[in-house]
Order: sequence, then C-alpha cells, then structure tokens
Amino acid sequence: ELKVEQNPLFLSMQEGKNYTIYCNYSTTSDRLYWYRQDPGKSLESLFVLLSNGAVKQEGRLMASLDTKARLSTLHITAAVHDLSATYFCAVSQGGSEKLVFGKGMKLTVNP
Amino acid sequence: NAGVTQTPKFRILKIGQSMTLQCTQDMNHNYMYWYRQDPGMGLKLIYYSVGAGITDKGEVPNGYNVSRSTTEDFPLRLELAAPSQTSVYFCASSYRGGSSPLHFGNGTRLTVT
Repeated sequence: ELKVEQNPLFLSMQEGKNYTIYCNYSTTSDRLYWYRQDPGKSLESLFVLLSNGAVKQEGRLMASLDTKARLSTLHITAAVHDLSATYFCAVSQGGSEKLVFGKGMKLTVNP
Repeated sequence: NAGVTQTPKFRILKIGQSMTLQCTQDMNHNYMYWYRQDPGMGLKLIYYSVGAGITDKGEVPNGYNVSRSTTEDFPLRLELAAPSQTSVYFCASSYRGGSSPLHFGNGTRLTVT
C-alpha cells in the first residue's frame, strides 16, 4: 500500500528566509504532484513531476523529484506572506489512476 | 469555463438520512475523482472513474456509492449518513488521469448530526 509522508507538517518562518520541505513515498511511482490550498478554499495545482530528476520552478517555489530515493522536495526561496497556505504532495499508485495525498504542510510566513 | 462544479456547498444531515453530492465538469475530462478531507489528514480517495460507465473504489469507499452515466457528471451518494462522514468533499477531474494534474471543485462541507 502506497504511503505518502510529508515533513514538517507545520512550519512558521519569517519573510525573506529559505526553507525546504519534504515528501517521501513508500512504493515505486514516477508521478508526483504538488498542490496548494488556501484556508477554506479548494486545491490548486502547483507542479507535476513526471520523471526522475525532474525540476520545476514557479516564482519562489522549486520542486524536484528523485524517484530512486522516493523523495520530492519543495524549496521556498525568500518567503513572502502570500506563500502562507497548506501544501500537499500527491503520488500516483503505480499502474493505476489512484492519487494518494500526504497530510499536507501548513506554512505560515510571518512579516 | 466553469471547470468542476459541486453542489451543494454546505449541507447538514441527520444520522440515517441519505443524500447525493453533485459534481459536473465541462472540460471533457475522462477521469473524475471524489475525495474527502478531514482536518490534519490530507485527502482520502473515495471513488474514481476513468470514463463513462467505469468506476472503481479508492481508499475509503464504505458508506458511499457512485455512478458515471455521462462524461460530465459524477455524483456521490451517501446512504444512511453517519457522524463519521462529516467532512469536506472534493470532486476533481483530469484529462489523462495520473499524467495530468487534477482540477478540483470548490468542495461540499457536510455535517452529520
């Protein structure tokens, strides 16, 4: 059974700082997704990572995938308050269309 | 484009009642999903469909049923509602299943008392 773990689950950081968050998964998969959710809102797709070594960047966020280590990272550069949200990673269960989500990481960026 | 539309937005049910959560998408996506979100637990897959007439169970299907008679619609049926079904329910769709990101609806907040 595929398990997806995110850490940390809560992060409070100051504006301007950098930080990396992690997403580990338990079985082979070559597709990993990052989503953002604002409080009381729906989920918005951030990145789709489809192969080992894939790296995607959007603004102050950069995501990467290491399928051999079963690890994805989401790096935050020079955080700003607008990045405050909950970030989910999700992994496809090998050979199926099921997408398993991690518990999410709640990020608070303080001025 | 409306995207993925869920109705209702909020609903309160009494224990034992039944209801249908509606989901429709106008993007001609083949793949559709129902997730529930509980605080601190991420999203759990209830059911999914890879096309009209085809559905399959996810991680937490018990107490729910689905049907997919058209490409656009994927309703979720709750029979005999229980307090454990209190949650926020999200419907999502995608173009090519796991190879494309999911587009989520705005969610239905359901309370069972």
